[in-house]
Amino acid sequence: DTGVSQDPRHKITKRGQNVTFRCDPISEHNRLYWYRQTLGQGPEFLTYFQNEAQLEKSRLLSDRFSAERPKGSFSTLEIQRTEQGDSAMYLCASSLAWSGTEAFFGQGTRLTVV
Amino acid sequence: KQEVTQIPAALSVPEGENLVLNCSFTDSAIYNLQWFRQDPGKGLTSLLLIQSSQREQTSGRLNASLDKSSGRSTLYIAASQPGDSATYLCAVSGTNFGNEKLTFGTGTRLTIIP
Repeated sequence: DTGVSQDPRHKITKRGQNVTFRCDPISEHNRLYWYRQTLGQGPEFLTYFQNEAQLEKSRLLSDRFSAERPKGSFSTLEIQRTEQGDSAMYLCASSLAWSGTEAFFGQGTRLTVV
Repeated sequence: KQEVTQIPAALSVPEGENLVLNCSFTDSAIYNLQWFRQDPGKGLTSLLLIQSSQREQTSGRLNASLDKSSGRSTLYIAASQPGDSATYLCAVSGTNFGNEKLTFGTGTRLTIIP
């Protein structure tokens, strides 16, 4: 296992289109997180799963955003009707589900909405 | 609401010097603090994790300290090298069970001058 994997690495889309990103966590990790990072800022929390259950969603996650983690393995993040303000790096992280464990991040998906 | 601040926002030092990066957080009720490195356009690489009960962690030329009561952490880099040039982010996780999302600072952009 080589770590957290995200696909695609880059995505350019026209405003109004839908996009979907995929994250494959480290295989034994049952927690999976999504973060968003804009230029010059630190990552901001979007949502997280423990196994297949989505336990928390940030207020940043508007109703155009949806995330799933079927069977508690990989996760997808979908953005519907993209807007220019959605342009950002979307980062996925995974960890073991007990307090204080180290989070490992993927390489991110860079989304550009034109 | 937890807030994380990193000062300075940018730092340039000649190769070979030792340096310290600072991180402060407003709520001392944390489970752990993690330091990350981020290269331009890339994801986050975990450098060090300090549990709330610990005072410091070391990995190679890196040493991170944590003073939870005062809400501060430092990352010490010894004998800096040009390859250390990157943005360094610190992040803290909360104490509510199941709420271990990371809250990030905005990072310190480090440049090592050959």
